[in-house]
Amino acid sequence: DIQMTQSPSSVSASVGDSVTITCRASQGIGSWLAWYQQKPGKAPKLLIYAESSLQSGAPSRFSGSGSGTDFTLNISSLQPEDFATYYCQQANSYPLAFGGGTKVEI
Amino acid sequence: EVQLLESGGNLVQPGGSLRLSCAASGFTFNIYGMSWVRQTPGRGLEWVSGISGSNGNMYYANSVKGRFTISRDNSKNTLYLQMNSLRAEDTALYYCAKATYNSGWPWYFDLWGRGTLVTVSS
Repeated sequence: DIQMTQSPSSVSASVGDSVTITCRASQGIGSWLAWYQQKPGKAPKLLIYAESSLQSGAPSRFSGSGSGTDFTLNISSLQPEDFATYYCQQANSYPLAFGGGTKVEI
Repeated sequence: EVQLLESGGNLVQPGGSLRLSCAASGFTFNIYGMSWVRQTPGRGLEWVSGISGSNGNMYYANSVKGRFTISRDNSKNTLYLQMNSLRAEDTALYYCAKATYNSGWPWYFDLWGRGTLVTVSS
């Protein structure tokens, strides 16, 4: 099974900062990777799919990159509504797997 | 309105059974892959099972294989998860999620329900 490891598990930042979150797959997954945002008490929301494609409605300050085993989510110019937990997910092979999450805190 | 609405979560004893339902509306349900994803504070998000929209192929996490069965009724726009031989570690909030593509693969989830809580305890 493919394991997804995110780092850091939490990060403190201020409004206007840029934040980078890393996701590593235990084996190559091509570009079949998604990023989700989850706020307390809410379901996850798709931000990025296919490693770098921005989901409709997601702000352009979110961007994804990487391939193979190493991926990053970058949030440029953090906004108050961006403080949340972010998850990566490999979409390539079964069983599908999520990373452990990165909490972006004020 | 495009939405997914889960139901059926409850408190159940270890070894018991439960059936979850997910009612879909606002999109053409029968052409999309669908999945169940669960979440616990300790284990985070865990994919449970998926079913293709194009051919009905079913897929399971190792932890639930042989105990859970996913199915869909396209005439009712409803996804199901039959859960048998439930264990304490199955306790979680269960989300229904719509895949971006009709085959399911690659499994990106662009619509989620609010979740239904399953508690397995004596």
